[in-house]
Amino acid sequence: AQTVTQSQPEMSVQEAETVTLSCTYDTSESDYYLFWYKQPPSRQMILVIRQEAYKQQNATENRFSVNFQKAAKSFSLKISDSQLGDAAMYFCAYRSGSNYQLIWGAGTKLIIKP
Amino acid sequence: DARVTQTPRHKVTEMGQEVTMRCQPILGHNTVFWYRQTMMQGLELLAYFRNRAPLDDSGMPKDRFSAEMPDATLATLKIQPSEPRDSAVYFCASGLGRGEAFFGQGTRLTVV
Repeated sequence: AQTVTQSQPEMSVQEAETVTLSCTYDTSESDYYLFWYKQPPSRQMILVIRQEAYKQQNATENRFSVNFQKAAKSFSLKISDSQLGDAAMYFCAYRSGSNYQLIWGAGTKLIIKP
Repeated sequence: DARVTQTPRHKVTEMGQEVTMRCQPILGHNTVFWYRQTMMQGLELLAYFRNRAPLDDSGMPKDRFSAEMPDATLATLKIQPSEPRDSAVYFCASGLGRGEAFFGQGTRLTVV
């Protein structure tokens, strides 16, 4: 069975600095998708970034980028120029190419220090 | 601006009462998920549908929970009878094919 592990329950970063959130996963499949979702205090789950496993190029969305290491089964999220609005829970999620279910990590709480 | 709409946003009810939560998925999406989120358990998948057919509801307590999609624009999650341990935030999400899921704002349920 697939699993997703986020080993950092909480991270803090100074405003304008860069922070990296870790995520590792376990799967025997070759076709899958990985996602980072953000959940601010409003509790809305917001998609931050997605990565298809077949793509070697790391996904980037403005200040958010991933470091996708397929062989190591690692999918970290880098947030550059951190802003106060980035404060939230961040969840890493996995989806098999043959299944519609999302497998979730436990989340990392990101604190932004002004 | 396409979005998943959930109603109600908040619900307080007494133990034993029936609770119905509604979800309008994004138009054109063929996959709908129901999740429950608590501090202790995190995000739990309760049920999901593809093209309105239930594919998996193994995460749902069958004796009191039921999920349906009467049509492509409406998904419902019912709890009858409700219990205090059902207190949680319930999310509906929709998606298309194998892509990402888009979430509604959730229903915060409190059973007293």
